[in-house]
Parts: sequence; C-alpha cells; structure tokens
Amino acid sequence: AQSVTQPDIHITVSEGASLELRCNYSYGATPYLFWYVQSPGQGLQLLLKYFSGDTLVQGIKGFEAEFKRSQSSFNLRKPSVHWSDAAEYFCAVGAPGGSYIPTFGRGTSLIVHP
Amino acid sequence: DAGVIQSPRHEVTEMGQEVTLRCKPISGHDYLFWYRQTMMRGLELLIYFNNNVPIDDSGMPEDRFSAKMPNASFSTLKIQPSEPRDSAVYFCASSLLVTAHSGANVLTFGAGSRLTVL
Repeated sequence: AQSVTQPDIHITVSEGASLELRCNYSYGATPYLFWYVQSPGQGLQLLLKYFSGDTLVQGIKGFEAEFKRSQSSFNLRKPSVHWSDAAEYFCAVGAPGGSYIPTFGRGTSLIVHP
Repeated sequence: DAGVIQSPRHEVTEMGQEVTLRCKPISGHDYLFWYRQTMMRGLELLIYFNNNVPIDDSGMPEDRFSAKMPNASFSTLKIQPSEPRDSAVYFCASSLLVTAHSGANVLTFGAGSRLTVL
C-alpha cells in the first residue's frame, strides 16, 4: 500500500519569499501524485497533479512541483509567496493499477508574514 | 457545474441527537467519498461509494455512523446518537475515475459541514 509523509507541520515564510513544501511517498513503482490546498473554512482544491511525463508540473496560482524518483519526493514550490497563499497544503499519492483511493498526508500549514 | 454541494455548512447539536449531513456530488461522477477532518487525526476517509454502492466503510468509527447513497445525485452521512467527540468538519468529495490512467482518482471536495456536538 502507498503512503505519504509531509515532514513539516507548519511552515512560516515572509510575503515575497520563496516557498518549498516537502512531500515524500512510499510506493513500489511510480505513483500518481497530487497537491491540494485548503483555505480556511473551505474544502480541498486541487493545485496540480503528476501522472507521467515531464517531472516538473505546473499548477494553478503559480505553484509547481517536481517529481524526483530517486528521492521519492514531490515537493511543492512557489517563487514568491503572497499573503493569500496562507492555507493548509496536502500531498496525496495514488497507485497506478491499484487502489483508486488516494492516500493523503497530514498536511502542512503555511503561515505568511507581511 | 456548481461543484460538490454539502449541507448544512454548520451544525450545532446536543449530545444524543441525530445528525444528518447531506451531499450532492458533481453530475457524472462515479465515486463519492466521505471524510472527517480533526486537528488530532487529520483527514480520515470514512466511507466511499462507486456507482452508488458502498465499497469500503472500514473508516466508519462505529455503528453510530451510517452512510447511504440512494441515487447518483445524493448521499447522506448520519450520526445517531451524536457525541462530543464527533465534533469535526465532514467533507464530501466526488470524482470520475480517469480510466486512461487506472488508479488516478482526482477528487473534488465540497466546502464541508462543521459539526459541533455539545
């Protein structure tokens, strides 16, 4: 079964600074990978996904993520954070040909200082 | 499409009362999921349906919880009787399995129902 780890519970950055949120997965082959964002009082919204092909994936709101097979990672990045990016971010992993149910990480809370 | 619609958005009830949460998935989606989110346990999958049939309810905490999906456009999650430890945000999500990539299930979440049991 697949699993996903988000090592950072909270991340604090200043507005305008760059951001990287970490995600590590455990799966025997190349998984499907997702990042979701949850703004306060809202449901989760898909930021981006990786199925195959180019390992650098572009998403909405200026986010990107890079799949690194050698490190079993799918870290989320943004070059310049805006105050509106303050939210909870969830990494999720799916198993090709296997369970259709993605496994979610515990989430990383992003705090943005002005 | 209006997205996944959940009601009520907020529910405050007293211990022992019955609570019913409702969900309207996106039209055409064939999977429906119920999640619970708490600070302590994060996002927990309670149950999911495929084509209105419950597939896995192993995440349902106990017999007080039940879920139904009488048709493709409606699902309910019921708690009877409710307890203070049931206080959480309950999310419904739906998806259409991307068959070209078997196993790639991209979920669309509703805004959630915040339940407070006093």
